[in-house]
Amino acid sequence: GQQLNQSPQSMFIQEGEDVSMNCTSSSIFNTWLWYKQDPGEGPVLLIALYKAGELTSNGRLTAQFGITRKDSFLNISASIPSDVGIYFCAGQGAAGNKLTFGGGTRVLVKP
Amino acid sequence: DGGITQSPKYLFRKEGQNVTLSCEQNLNHDAMYWYRQDPGQGLRLIYYSQIVNDFQKGDIAEGYSVSREKKESFPLTVTSAQKNPTAFYLCASSRGPANEQFFGPGTRLTVL
Repeated sequence: GQQLNQSPQSMFIQEGEDVSMNCTSSSIFNTWLWYKQDPGEGPVLLIALYKAGELTSNGRLTAQFGITRKDSFLNISASIPSDVGIYFCAGQGAAGNKLTFGGGTRVLVKP
Repeated sequence: DGGITQSPKYLFRKEGQNVTLSCEQNLNHDAMYWYRQDPGQGLRLIYYSQIVNDFQKGDIAEGYSVSREKKESFPLTVTSAQKNPTAFYLCASSRGPANEQFFGPGTRLTVL
């Protein structure tokens, strides 16, 4: 089946830093989605990407759909404490409506 | 307000009992989904439904059952056949099968 590798698994941020994370797939996807999940809550959709090469921003967040259609990355600029949480990528292939999720990137605040 | 509701937020059951988790949406979405999330893990698809009166097994359907009698509702039953039912259960919906999915707040099920 399709595999999504998301990295890093976790990262520490300091307020004001830029951070980035990425997902790579063994298969081609037609759609890439990025979600954020706070503890005990459902994931919230941040950005949706539909075309290879597409670069989309949502406030301080920027995501890109890789040219090969097998990868995507998410950048957070000038991080703030509320950016803490788990970020998931998800890909949707040509086969239909099943989403494949990455394992998540846990963003934590540097002590 | 439009959205997806799941109830209850926390649910406790004794081993061997079936339990039904509720999911309702008023977004007029055709497709609905159930996912399971274990601590520190991603989401795994249990069942999905593209249209009323139709549903398909996902990747981990064993021990679960669903129904889709109304467009707005997609209840999930965790049966006694599910060997490790304690988990966080998430319901989602989308306008159609190729559209982005939106999630409910989740139900945390603990089987004692």
